[in-house]
Amino acid sequence: GAVVSQHPSRVICKSGTSVKIECRSLDFQATTMFWYRQFPKQSLMLMATSNEGSKATYEQGVEKDKFLINHASLTLSTLTVTSAHPEDSSFYICSAREDNYEQYFGPGTRLTVT
Amino acid sequence: GQNIDQPTEMTATEGAIVQINCTYQTSGFNGLFWYQQHAGEAPTFLSYNVLDGLEEKGRFSSFLSRSKGYSYLLLKELQMKDSASYLCAVTRATSGTYKYIFGTGTRLKVLA
Repeated sequence: GAVVSQHPSRVICKSGTSVKIECRSLDFQATTMFWYRQFPKQSLMLMATSNEGSKATYEQGVEKDKFLINHASLTLSTLTVTSAHPEDSSFYICSAREDNYEQYFGPGTRLTVT
Repeated sequence: GQNIDQPTEMTATEGAIVQINCTYQTSGFNGLFWYQQHAGEAPTFLSYNVLDGLEEKGRFSSFLSRSKGYSYLLLKELQMKDSASYLCAVTRATSGTYKYIFGTGTRLKVLA
């Protein structure tokens, strides 16, 4: 149990375009989902916390107009990187949590902006 | 503010024991997790400590001292597949939810 999927696993896009990443909890209802970004050889940096049906809470320094998060249902959250630039190239990981402490991670999405 | 520190890299020999330390300073502390992460993959859960003391799970053990803001992960009988990054993450209560703040991660190399 407690499986989280992400789609796509890898995406390459051109500078200036937008990319949407989906995060799904497959066998549980995720009241909270988290989005992280990880640059090579660095740790996970929390970008935002989203609760189903409400606006996401962004961490300091994360532009909410650039990284649009939608948590439309208890099993789906999406992250849209708008007007992507090469410096947005990173590993994006989501995690989902039911009503307990443990979070379950998705497999991650490798974004490359050319 | 919050601060979570781990050594950047460690090297150990197959079959040996290694201890990875994590020190933290945070408000609203609500528990500490250890995760293993292989390159290019998502983290996988290893352990969770919310009370002081040692939690043992097979070859892995984790210790917490809340008064000292200190935890360690102990790996015994090291295997080559244990070469990975080990992330310490502190959970803190904020605005009605729990956030996870990750440490810098420790890259462990296991040598034959």
